[in-house]
Amino acid sequence: GENVEQHPSTLSVQEGDSAVIKCTYSDSASNYFPWYKQELGKRPQLIIDIRSNVGEKKDQRIAVTLNKTAKHFSLHITETQPEDSAVYFCAASGYSGGGADGLTFGKGTHLIIQP
Amino acid sequence: NAGVTQTPKFQVLKTGQSMTLQCAQDMNHEYMSWYRQDPGMGLRLIHYSVGAGITDQGEVPNGYNVSRSTTEDFPLRLLSAAPSQTSVYFCASSYSIQDYGYTFGSGTRLTVV
Repeated sequence: GENVEQHPSTLSVQEGDSAVIKCTYSDSASNYFPWYKQELGKRPQLIIDIRSNVGEKKDQRIAVTLNKTAKHFSLHITETQPEDSAVYFCAASGYSGGGADGLTFGKGTHLIIQP
Repeated sequence: NAGVTQTPKFQVLKTGQSMTLQCAQDMNHEYMSWYRQDPGMGLRLIHYSVGAGITDQGEVPNGYNVSRSTTEDFPLRLLSAAPSQTSVYFCASSYSIQDYGYTFGSGTRLTVV
């Protein structure tokens, strides 16, 4: 099955600076890579996703990049704001036994925005 | 349109007790799944279903059962609760198993004493 590694586990940045979270995956057949944001005590919510036929995708202050050759993808948040403080999870689609078996999640990054 | 509804929100069980966590979605999603979330462990897949009558095991299925008799409902059963099953449980649904984002329920915080 798929294995997803996420770094760093904690990231503290000054308000207004940029934040970058990185993930690597193991299954070269993976073709869908979503990112989720989870605020304290809340459910994970999809913030952006990218498919394997695209190298980069942007949505306002958030962007995701994908390098299929190196099997890694990253989340970039620019001009960080206090409401960006949360835990962020990356995920990758996985296959086992010849069939799809859903998303495998990284262990999460706790992003702290310092005022 | 309520999305994904989970009940209960909180539950305390004694070791050995059984219970069912309920999950329902009204988006006509074929794919539904259960994850558990533990500190520092991320989200780990317990069981999933790609349609009514079809279920399969995820990464951590031991101690849990599921069934999918309708498209809307996907209950998770704890057969004999153990302290190791203390966790936050999330149900998620999607149009497909891995090409679209998942919609998560609000979670069930389960404590086994």
